[in-house]
Amino acid sequence: EDQVTQSPEALRLQEGESSSLNCSYTVSGLRGLFWYRQDPGKGPEFLFTLYSAGEEKEKERLKATLTKKESFLHITAPKPEDSATYLCAVQEGGGADGLTFGKGTHLIIQP
Amino acid sequence: GAVVSQHPSRVICKSGTSVKIECRSLDFQATTMFWYRQFPKQSLMLMATSNEGSKATYEQGVEKDKFLINHASLTLSTLTVTSAHPEDSSFYICSARRLQGSDTQYFGPGTRLTVL
Repeated sequence: EDQVTQSPEALRLQEGESSSLNCSYTVSGLRGLFWYRQDPGKGPEFLFTLYSAGEEKEKERLKATLTKKESFLHITAPKPEDSATYLCAVQEGGGADGLTFGKGTHLIIQP
Repeated sequence: GAVVSQHPSRVICKSGTSVKIECRSLDFQATTMFWYRQFPKQSLMLMATSNEGSKATYEQGVEKDKFLINHASLTLSTLTVTSAHPEDSSFYICSARRLQGSDTQYFGPGTRLTVL
């Protein structure tokens, strides 16, 4: 059974204080790993897709990396508008198309 | 862009009634659409995968006769919750994947269903 574990569950940072969110996964043949941002009461907003170990993607203050067992979402010099829940999801190879999500990391950036 | 809309955004209904939720991909064609459910402070759980022109594939534990899915075109999928009960109250979110391209799923804004 696919499992996705995100840590920490919640993280409070000061504006400008960089940190990393972790996503550990166990899946029989990774087809893709996805990062999304979700604001309260809204659907997930796509951030990144990673396909193979060693791959990195960047967008503004966010950088996602992937190894064979985990992914990190690095947040550099965050701003209050970066406050949200960050979700990690995996897609298994072998034909299954749906995503298995972790429970997310609730990030609060204080001004 | 890759915009997905849902309608309605929130609905309140009485127990025993049926509710239909629409999911549309506005600026791309989607062979495959997905329906997820999210309970408070929980993550998204896949309910079913919907392919245009064919029957939906339901995840284990999801009643196909209760959650009717129709994917009649490359831009529209509907989820009907039949004979809704209070335990069906949840946040229902659809996603769509482009006809051609990556495996990325783009999500709609969600529908908050409250069954009284």
